[in-house]
Amino acid sequence: DVVMTQAPLTLAVTPGELASLSCRSSQSLLDSDGVSTYVDWYLQKPGQTPQLLIYKLSYRASGVPDRFSGSGSGSDFTLTINRVEAEDVGIYYCMQRIEFPFTFGQGTRLEI
Amino acid sequence: HVQVLQSGPEVKKPGSSVKVSCKASGGTFNTYGFIWVRQAPGQRLEVMGGIVPMVDTKSYTQKFHGRVTITADESTTTVYLDLSGLTSDDTAVYHCAVGSIGGPLETWGQGTVVSVSS
Repeated sequence: DVVMTQAPLTLAVTPGELASLSCRSSQSLLDSDGVSTYVDWYLQKPGQTPQLLIYKLSYRASGVPDRFSGSGSGSDFTLTINRVEAEDVGIYYCMQRIEFPFTFGQGTRLEI
Repeated sequence: HVQVLQSGPEVKKPGSSVKVSCKASGGTFNTYGFIWVRQAPGQRLEVMGGIVPMVDTKSYTQKFHGRVTITADESTTTVYLDLSGLTSDDTAVYHCAVGSIGGPLETWGQGTVVSVSS
């Protein structure tokens, strides 16, 4: 199975700051088409179920503020949150779906 | 936009089985793929398996192979997770997540708590 590793495990930021979350995979998530990278990001807010933020490396899901952006390539990825707000607290997970079983990172807990 | 509603919490004895349902509404059932994700206390999210009802294709994570059965009933637009041989390690929240075939997990159910205790 593809192993996803996130860092840091906990990140404390001040509102208005920039937050950068890292995710690495044990193998490349670039599809054989050379175009699509199959890494998604999810946020699980306290007491809620996970919600999709970013898919295929850098595409924002519907309704996700443009403060959130995904970047990276191959096996090294970053979720960037510009101007962090209090409502952004929760656990952020990266997930690969280039092969089954899809696998998640252990999560980064964002604290304000 | 598809929405999913899962069945309620379950309390089970070790060695028994549990069946969790996930009813989809809105959208077209056969255009979606469904994934079951487990969230055990202190553990990362873990995919158990998935199904694409349109072609009745099922995939299971090796760890659960033999204990998990995922089925879909198109007439009621409901997907089921059947987990047998329960142990205390199966105590977790079970999430049904759905998305377009080949797409990300766009919509998640509210989660079903399964507690296994003697």
